[in-house]
Amino acid sequence: GAVVSQHPSWVICKSGTSVKIECRSLDFQATTMFWYRQFPKQSLMLMATSNEGSKATYEQGVEKDKFLINHASLTLSTLTVTSAHPEDSSFYICSARGRLAFHEQFFGPGTRLTVL
Amino acid sequence: QKEVEQDPGPLSVPEGAIVSLNCTYSNSAFQYFMWYRQYSRKGPELLMYTYSSGNKEDGRFTAQVDKSSKYISLFIRDSQPSDSATYLCSSFTGGGNKLTFGTGTQLKVEL
Repeated sequence: GAVVSQHPSWVICKSGTSVKIECRSLDFQATTMFWYRQFPKQSLMLMATSNEGSKATYEQGVEKDKFLINHASLTLSTLTVTSAHPEDSSFYICSARGRLAFHEQFFGPGTRLTVL
Repeated sequence: QKEVEQDPGPLSVPEGAIVSLNCTYSNSAFQYFMWYRQYSRKGPELLMYTYSSGNKEDGRFTAQVDKSSKYISLFIRDSQPSDSATYLCSSFTGGGNKLTFGTGTQLKVEL
């Protein structure tokens, strides 16, 4: 399958700071990228969908001013958690889908964010 | 009612057992059905996908979809300790953007 990377794999930050997470599709062009959040022992919660070159579409209840998503190229999307608070601590996972196999969605390894 | 329902487990089986993991769904528009495996603290890995009803086999894994009963299954033959993970079923209409996930079933294969 295709490879999706995320960086960093884990990050600890102080409350009030901003954190940027990168998601890259390494061997295919990702026309659509997704950002998920996952709490322990729970399923994936979709936060937003982004198509290359256009604004992200956020799911209901997700603050778009807090979770800034940029999908500037066909291989890179970034999620910035602004003014992070302890309740933002979670496992953030991105996934990517290519132009041809739209039913195949490949996930990154995830980023564990801890806000102190 | 959630669109995709999955028993969270945990499910514990001895090594070598046949494992049956199941999901039900409610949206008749779903056309694609996927199974993902997620190890602890890792992202999900696509195991198999099936289009519409029918079976699909890949090594020790068999995915089965019965659209008449809205039932999705994953069978694992000769289970190994390395199969211990959380298995997520998901569905996709094909026309929209989003995958809809079940809650995941935690599987433990014991020696």
